[in-house]
Amino acid sequence: NAGVTQTPKFQVLKTGQSMTLQCAQDMNHEYMSWYRQDPGMGLRLIHYSVGAGITDQGEVPNGYNVSRSTTEDFPLRLLSAAPSQTSVYFCASKRSYVQETQYFGPGTRLLVL
Amino acid sequence: QQQVKQSPQSLIVQKGGISIINCAYENTAFDYFPWYQQFPGKGPALLIAIRPDVSEKKEGRFTISFNKSAKQFSLHIMDSQPGDSATYFCAASPNNAGNMLTFGGGTRLMVKP
Repeated sequence: NAGVTQTPKFQVLKTGQSMTLQCAQDMNHEYMSWYRQDPGMGLRLIHYSVGAGITDQGEVPNGYNVSRSTTEDFPLRLLSAAPSQTSVYFCASKRSYVQETQYFGPGTRLLVL
Repeated sequence: QQQVKQSPQSLIVQKGGISIINCAYENTAFDYFPWYQQFPGKGPALLIAIRPDVSEKKEGRFTISFNKSAKQFSLHIMDSQPGDSATYFCAASPNNAGNMLTFGGGTRLMVKP
């Protein structure tokens, strides 16, 4: 099992550009989520999904869109990148909504100029 | 405003010493308190977690102490090793499955040989 994979590892964008951060898991997990990590602020939940076709907002959803068409994939879309979205983004998954242990991917470092 | 405050931001401990990281929370609805360990370039990984019905939980060299009345919890690493050098995050959730986690700001631990 590859676990949770994320692509790309690093990306530079210009303000106003759009992009999609990819996340995939091969563990047949129902629950997937996206976090951003900023210095001194820990990780903050952006969006999450409890299963294919079902998504919901987390703590900091503005400027981001998600969809969940398959169990395996949970892409995060930045519609119009802003410098405030410079961060490290982590995708995580767990077997179900009621299961505790989340497995995090290796992260995508995003720089918005 | 951070709902989970973590201290210290950084910590240097000699090999064999005890590392102590503290967290305080405000939301009395929190009832699940995990600690995550993150190595450079990697995603966080669940280390140990506690619920408020117990005051202490121990797993190997890692112990969580929980004080419900003070709304504080701490991580103790006994016999600290250089391999423990990492960033540690406390977190809290209003449901015991760890959904909608609120993270502390993180503590960078360095264990000197």
